[in-house]
Amino acid sequence: SQTIHQWPATLVQPVGSPLSLECTVEGTSNPNLYWYRQAAGRGLQLLFYSVGIGQISSEVPQNLSASRPQDRQFILSSKKLLLSDSGFYLCAWSAFPASVGPDTQYFGPGTRLTVL
Amino acid sequence: AQKVTQAQTEISVVEKEDVTLDCVYETRDTTYYLFWYKQPPSGELVFLIRRNSFDEQNEISGRYSWNFQKSTSSFNFTITASQVVDSAVYFCALSSYNFNKFYFGSGTKLNVKP
Repeated sequence: SQTIHQWPATLVQPVGSPLSLECTVEGTSNPNLYWYRQAAGRGLQLLFYSVGIGQISSEVPQNLSASRPQDRQFILSSKKLLLSDSGFYLCAWSAFPASVGPDTQYFGPGTRLTVL
Repeated sequence: AQKVTQAQTEISVVEKEDVTLDCVYETRDTTYYLFWYKQPPSGELVFLIRRNSFDEQNEISGRYSWNFQKSTSSFNFTITASQVVDSAVYFCALSSYNFNKFYFGSGTKLNVKP
């Protein structure tokens, strides 16, 4: 069966510090991968998605970036964190290609980031 | 434009009551997919159901049921005989022309009190 991991689970960082969040998927090959952010009490905002190694689509212009160095690894980074980067970051995967239409997205446990 | 509206921000019920969570969507596409997810206090989103636009049959899974009505662009979710463990935030989502993108509603927080 497929599993998705995220680390760290929680993170407290000062403003201006760098960020690296990691997501890995097991039990599947060539998945679609996604990064979402959820601000406190709010809905989910899609940040990036990737359909393959080195292929990243950005949805929201910001000081965040994403990379996919390996098939089942997705990394979210920032060179300098802002207060507004605080939130709950969720990684998700879906099968590729889906047989018909979009396959279900399955989510990881999330990383709770607090920028002080 | 693709949009999902969950007008109920928060609902509180007493255990064993039935509760319906509303989801209204907007899309101009004829082919689209709708989803429901549950987010318990731990934070991880749990997939509940996936439904395509060509299948308007209602679905029942245990205490959960879903009512899909294309005429009103709604995909409502009912929990029968609610339990405390049902307390969570529930999200409705839409995927259509760009199947890599899910459009999530803002979520409905359900509080089930003993």
